[in-house]
Amino acid sequence: EAGVAQSPRYKIIEKRQSVAFWCNPISGHATLYWYQQILGQGPKLLIQFQNNGVVDDSQLPKDRFSAERLKGVDSTLKIQPAKLEDSAVYLCASSLLLSGGNYNEQFFGPGTRLTVL
Amino acid sequence: AQSVTQLDSQVPVFEEAPVELRCNYSSSVSVYLFWYVQYPNQGLQLLLKYLSGSTLVKGINGFEAEFNKSQTSFHLRKPSVHISDTAEYFCAVISSGAGSYQLTFGKGTKLSVIP
Repeated sequence: EAGVAQSPRYKIIEKRQSVAFWCNPISGHATLYWYQQILGQGPKLLIQFQNNGVVDDSQLPKDRFSAERLKGVDSTLKIQPAKLEDSAVYLCASSLLLSGGNYNEQFFGPGTRLTVL
Repeated sequence: AQSVTQLDSQVPVFEEAPVELRCNYSSSVSVYLFWYVQYPNQGLQLLLKYLSGSTLVKGINGFEAEFNKSQTSFHLRKPSVHISDTAEYFCAVISSGAGSYQLTFGKGTKLSVIP
């Protein structure tokens, strides 16, 4: 079974530029997550989708970050404009549909390492 | 609000020696607890989880962890480490009952196994 795919793996941009990351979850996984992992810290949830709807985006800096999952499968995360402090690894994860208080394991992709100069 | 504290940022240990990586959490409600491992330039892989039932949880690669509710701890242990265990380990918590099942991670512990 294929895992969570992410691209690109690495990206270097200058501050104030725009960047987009792509994620393809495991087939059949309705729930998709984007995490930001700053060097020396644990991952922090940015946004969670269930199918193509947003479940939680309370920690997404909405003035510069946006994410979409139009057809309930692939997702893109965009930063516009980027700041130096956005340098981090952006992880995508997916899980089966969350329902009825049952937890389903999140499977993580390899991440995209963003460097903002 | 939930939070996770990993008391050691780096743990060096000799090969075949035992290791314990410490994790404490705070949450006002029932929790699910997890340990993830991250190898260089890779994503996170689940080592083990506690959802309910027995407080001693066994995971992959010979790791185990014990949920201690009174001490709000979930320490990770392995009786004999290998070079291949060199990686960063993250403890995480979910407060059950929160609809989004948001994982809150600790800052991680880098385990270095010395030959």
